[in-house]
Amino acid sequence: ETGVTQTPRHLVMGMTNKKSLKCEQHLGHNAMYWYKQSAKKPLELMFVYNFKEQTENNSVPSRFSPECPNSSHLFLHLHTLQPEDSALYLCASSQSVGLEYEQYFGPGTRLTVT
Amino acid sequence: EDKVVQSPLSLVVHEGDTVTLNCSYEVTNFRSLLWYKQEKKAPTFLFMLTSSGIEKKSGRLSSILDKKELFSILNITATQTGDSAVYLCAVDGWDYGQNFVFGPGTRLSVLP
Repeated sequence: ETGVTQTPRHLVMGMTNKKSLKCEQHLGHNAMYWYKQSAKKPLELMFVYNFKEQTENNSVPSRFSPECPNSSHLFLHLHTLQPEDSALYLCASSQSVGLEYEQYFGPGTRLTVT
Repeated sequence: EDKVVQSPLSLVVHEGDTVTLNCSYEVTNFRSLLWYKQEKKAPTFLFMLTSSGIEKKSGRLSSILDKKELFSILNITATQTGDSAVYLCAVDGWDYGQNFVFGPGTRLSVLP
């Protein structure tokens, strides 16, 4: 247990569905991250939030929409996804932004788009 | 374009062997390099390196960074089956914003 939880752990959705991934951290951290990990690609940073403010959006398609209502919760809203979006989505948190602050990863959500 | 290259991509050894994993990088405004171990899903942190030539050690694992040649190595001595995992190298740079770049990982399998 790293103190970062993600739900659901597995999700299967059609291309016309709308779903949301949830991440919650109980570590008192100020920074939260969404990563995508595909079978054959390196871990890719998608979004970074620091004190609820989005600081990075690494050219992520608009069909992925993040939301950070407070420093403990992070959502990733999904709509009209493509099959190539099937991947493991990892949430992480750290004391502040920057890899010098150890990131604690959640268990991930395995997403399959059909 | 910032990138991180790891080698080998896959490695099979027997218990007791020593392994060296390689990570080379090109990144704008390098700040730090990190090693992670990923067994099932979530990566777990191993080392952070910011200064060249200073070895970080934790038990049987050690790592060192060469900022001049832009690479790092992760050594594991007396390997055990529990060391089987994917080892990820990540680099933190700054290019008009935060930029974390991960390598593809090295899949290590330690056989009994």
